[in-house]
Amino acid sequence: QVQLKESGPGLVKPSETLSLTCTVSGFSLTSFHVSWVRQPPGKGLEWMGVIWGDGSTAYNSALKSRLSISRDTSKSQVFLKMSSLKTEDTATYYCARDLGYGGFDYWGQGVMVTVSS
Amino acid sequence: DIQMTQSPASLSASLEEIVTITCQASQDIENWLAWYQQKPGKSPQLLIYGATSLADGVPSSFSGSRSGTQYSLKISRLQVEDIGIYYCLQAYSAPNTFGAGTKLELK
Repeated sequence: QVQLKESGPGLVKPSETLSLTCTVSGFSLTSFHVSWVRQPPGKGLEWMGVIWGDGSTAYNSALKSRLSISRDTSKSQVFLKMSSLKTEDTATYYCARDLGYGGFDYWGQGVMVTVSS
Repeated sequence: DIQMTQSPASLSASLEEIVTITCQASQDIENWLAWYQQKPGKSPQLLIYGATSLADGVPSSFSGSRSGTQYSLKISRLQVEDIGIYYCLQAYSAPNTFGAGTKLELK
């Protein structure tokens, strides 16, 4: 069955770079897109970016200068890297299978990341 | 970027009541709208995609509709398990954008 699972550090210092991995199963990264979405504590959902099945990417314009999404199809993994972290980047980070026009049908459990010194 | 204005921000309703949540898109998104339910500590769950199509396993008490650039989610008979926060998502173009959310509580 379709599964996504995020992994990464729970605590990162301000100004450092966040690296997260989304490991997927039950579908191919060349056939489906994967988006990253984050949610600060007690707040709403924010779309961060997508890596499409053909490997191209698109990013939230507010994060574009700090954000990079890539993948390793042989390992069924999608990577998120965000630089110059700030305390306001504290959030739960989700990866989700992106159907394009159909929205996001499967989500990972999320990983909570705290940015603090 | 396409803006999604969701209302109300919060809603208190009784069991068996009809509940309606709306999202207004800032431009035509051609039915490419999804609705999600999120419960505390959980990932969002897909309810509706393509504005009106029910996702697998979602009760038929949920339905979606469209009128121009306004999209609605209706719960026909509110149940305890429907309590949570609801979000719309425009999937028409990147950057995808979410509504701000509607917190649904029991009266």
